[in-house]
Amino acid sequence: QVQPQESGPGLVKPSETLSLTCTVSGGSISYYYWSWIRQPPGKGLEWIGYIYYTGSTNHNPSLESRVTISVDRSKNQFSLKLSSVTAADTAVYYCARGGSRMTTVNTFDYWGQGTLVTVSS
Amino acid sequence: QSALTQPASVSGSPGQSITISCTGTSSDVGDYNYVSWYQQHPGKAPKLIIYDVSNRPSGVSNRFSGSKSGNTASLTISGLQAEDEADYYCSSYRSSGTFDVFGTGTKVTVL
Repeated sequence: QVQPQESGPGLVKPSETLSLTCTVSGGSISYYYWSWIRQPPGKGLEWIGYIYYTGSTNHNPSLESRVTISVDRSKNQFSLKLSSVTAADTAVYYCARGGSRMTTVNTFDYWGQGTLVTVSS
Repeated sequence: QSALTQPASVSGSPGQSITISCTGTSSDVGDYNYVSWYQQHPGKAPKLIIYDVSNRPSGVSNRFSGSKSGNTASLTISGLQAEDEADYYCSSYRSSGTFDVFGTGTKVTVL
């Protein structure tokens, strides 16, 4: 059973960089698309971006150039950095596995449990 | 503003059937059979319940079914049960443009 697990600080100060890591157990990170998704309190799901195991990435244009997603295949992990955070970035952050083809990049079959990140001074 | 529009809420009595719509465009739902649906209970991570418009992952109840007509996809829950009370989100592949991956979400209430 593939199990993604998010880790990282639960509190980040405004203007600083949010950093999260998703460690995947029970299966290889290879040959799949992996996404970061967030959910502000009481609101809907927002896709942040994806990375393919080869390292190619794409992200939500609404987040402009603040997003960096990277992969470490040797550790079966991928990571998210979101710079210049504000209170609007407060959310539960999920990592999830997409499909193995571009057309199934949004078919998220395995999700982490989510981690709440609060942006506050 | 999401590219996929869902009703904010749908309700039904136990045993009834309900349908949730997901309206997109000819650039996503209308052009591809890669629509998925997710169920999210409060405080929990979303769970994939339908993929590729109408396929159920192993272990998902056959009370959940999906379909598509034109630019609108639908999720039907038959024999509604108390445990079905949750938020539901659709998602569709789109080839280009903004990546509004998820629908606006629908809260299902079992009366």
